[in-house]
Amino acid sequence: GAVVSQHPSRVICKSGTSVKIECRSLDFQATTMFWYRQFPKQSLMLMATSNEGSKATYEQGVEKDKFLINHASLTLSTLTVTSAHPEDSSFYICSAQRRGGINEQFFGPGTRLTVL
Amino acid sequence: AQKVTQAQTEISVVEKEDVTLDCVYETRDTTYYLFWYKQPPSGELVFLIRRNSFDEQNEISGRYSWNFQKSTSSFNFTITASQVVDSAVYFCALSEDNYGQNFVFGPGTRLSVLP
Repeated sequence: GAVVSQHPSRVICKSGTSVKIECRSLDFQATTMFWYRQFPKQSLMLMATSNEGSKATYEQGVEKDKFLINHASLTLSTLTVTSAHPEDSSFYICSAQRRGGINEQFFGPGTRLTVL
Repeated sequence: AQKVTQAQTEISVVEKEDVTLDCVYETRDTTYYLFWYKQPPSGELVFLIRRNSFDEQNEISGRYSWNFQKSTSSFNFTITASQVVDSAVYFCALSEDNYGQNFVFGPGTRLSVLP
């Protein structure tokens, strides 16, 4: 199977600090990775799409300077929430598309961010 | 623009009852993919099914079955003989893109199966 991991699974930080979340495809190469945000009792909303070696494409309304995405290798993408504030508290989920794969995203277990 | 509607926000059933979760979608494309995911309290999304727009055959997998009706743009999901472990939020999703992008989730239906 295709396994995607996220680290950390849960993080609590103070307002104003930056938090990095890692998304790894463990047993396949992922040319494209996606980052979603899910607020309590809401659906998943796509934040950005990142392709290995190129800049991420952000959805409308998502601040690229606040949510820094780096997709440096075919198995790793990172999301850094800079200067986090309580309103950034959310469940962040990444997904990865297998290299050569068609229309199939494999989702990570998610990272719950709480900003105090 | 693509859109997914799940009209049922929350459903409660008693164990062993059958339950159908509705999903209605909008798309202008003739080629698209539909998905169902389960999100238990742990938060991790569990893939249940993917269906492409050219395959209208209904599918059964154990207690799960899916009814795809292009004429009504619906892709409904039925759980037969529900169990407490089926309690979760279920998302229907649509992708118009062959490469997995432009993935849109519905708002989700929270299913509670009571013992």
